[in-house]
Amino acid sequence: AQTVTQSQPEMSVQEAETVTLSCTYDTSESDYYLFWYKQPPSRQMILVIRQEAYKQQNATENRFSVNFQKAAKSFSLKISDSQLGDAAMYFCASSGAGSYQLTFGKGTKLSVIP
Amino acid sequence: DTEVTQTPKHLVMGMTNKKSLKCEQHMGHRAMYWYKQKAKKPPELMFVYSYEKLSINESVPSRFSPECPNSSLLNLHLHALQPEDSALYLCASSQDGRMRSNQPQHFGDGTRLSIL
Repeated sequence: AQTVTQSQPEMSVQEAETVTLSCTYDTSESDYYLFWYKQPPSRQMILVIRQEAYKQQNATENRFSVNFQKAAKSFSLKISDSQLGDAAMYFCASSGAGSYQLTFGKGTKLSVIP
Repeated sequence: DTEVTQTPKHLVMGMTNKKSLKCEQHMGHRAMYWYKQKAKKPPELMFVYSYEKLSINESVPSRFSPECPNSSLLNLHLHALQPEDSALYLCASSQDGRMRSNQPQHFGDGTRLSIL
């Protein structure tokens, strides 16, 4: 079984600044994957970044990076140089290797202030 | 532009109506998913099809009936829905039906369903 916890229901950031969204998880799987999805008001769930648990190196995608702390079961998302288009609901999710199931956190609503 | 296309984008129906939601992808993915998402909540998995066969049914009421006519198309047939079924219905696909880091789920824009 897997659980994902996002403790920040809402966050805000000034345009061009950096913000970090928190996520902790719990899993009994030895091999698993972690994801951050973004859902703007347009509704589509967009994959932002993914991390294989067996990789120690933190994943990076342009302005988005993660801080993966396996022992602490923490998977935070850092957004650098925040842009107005980053405003959205951000969901942290996990999945065991070879599993159909994505377990989502409750989400963090990010607002970007011009 | 999304690679998973869902139609219609909005649907309003009465409790006695029969309607269908459609999802299409042309990425060669062999697994397709239906999710239900209530406002300000994460998506909840309903069904998973792998290689056109139903693999997972998350105890969804029978008033929701999924169908996968081919590897590119996924339907969700609706009948006798209740007001609490009003939600955003998201379709997703992934390459081979197994969650692997290099094969994430790709989501469509969803259908906003309202039951009167």
